[in-house]
Amino acid sequence: EVQLVESGEGLVQPGGSLRLSCAASGFTFSNYAMHWVRQAPGKGLQSVSGISYDGVSTYYADSVKGRFTISRDNSKNTLYLQMGSLRAEDMAVYYCARGTGSYYKSPFDYWGQGTLVTVSS
Amino acid sequence: DIVMTQSPDSLAVSLGERATINCKSSQSVLYSSNNNNYLAWYQQKPGQPPKLLIYWASTRESGVPDRFSGSGSGTDFTLTISSLQAEDVAVYYCQQYYSNPPLTFGGGTKVEIK
Repeated sequence: EVQLVESGEGLVQPGGSLRLSCAASGFTFSNYAMHWVRQAPGKGLQSVSGISYDGVSTYYADSVKGRFTISRDNSKNTLYLQMGSLRAEDMAVYYCARGTGSYYKSPFDYWGQGTLVTVSS
Repeated sequence: DIVMTQSPDSLAVSLGERATINCKSSQSVLYSSNNNNYLAWYQQKPGQPPKLLIYWASTRESGVPDRFSGSGSGTDFTLTISSLQAEDVAVYYCQQYYSNPPLTFGGGTKVEIK
């Protein structure tokens, strides 16, 4: 059974940092592109960042470019999102999602339950 | 970025009746070399993550009831629930995966029981 379990939930002050993790199981992690999608309270879905199966290629939404870094450790079946210079508008539930292919041009077929990032002083 | 626009924002449908959700992309998501539309639909119930319903605009994900169907091509797409059930109350999102990322979502359509 495919499982994606996010961790790293927390309250952080504006300007602070936080690292999210997503532990994957039930599939060959190193074969799939992975993504982070966020959802602000009461709002829609925003694709934040993604990484190819081998970690060589990454992308970021303009709103997080230069502040967030995505990475993966295929030996540990884990996806990461290092978030820095956090702003109030980054407050959201962050979902880890699996793409159906090795690169980006595919839908997201499995999602984690999400982890809440709160940015507040 | 490709902008995805959904309509309506919300709709209320009686049990057993048809629900229709529209999604329009700011540019075509039809890839001419393989004739596939790079368009997916997701269902999100309250307190849950999104669930993939349909991809390639009209292919149902495994396990998705056949009352859900997708249609359209190019820039205009539709998700139809042929006979609304109580468990279909949710927000539905379209997503394009045609362009270079980030892959963009529509704003969502909330489906309720009338």
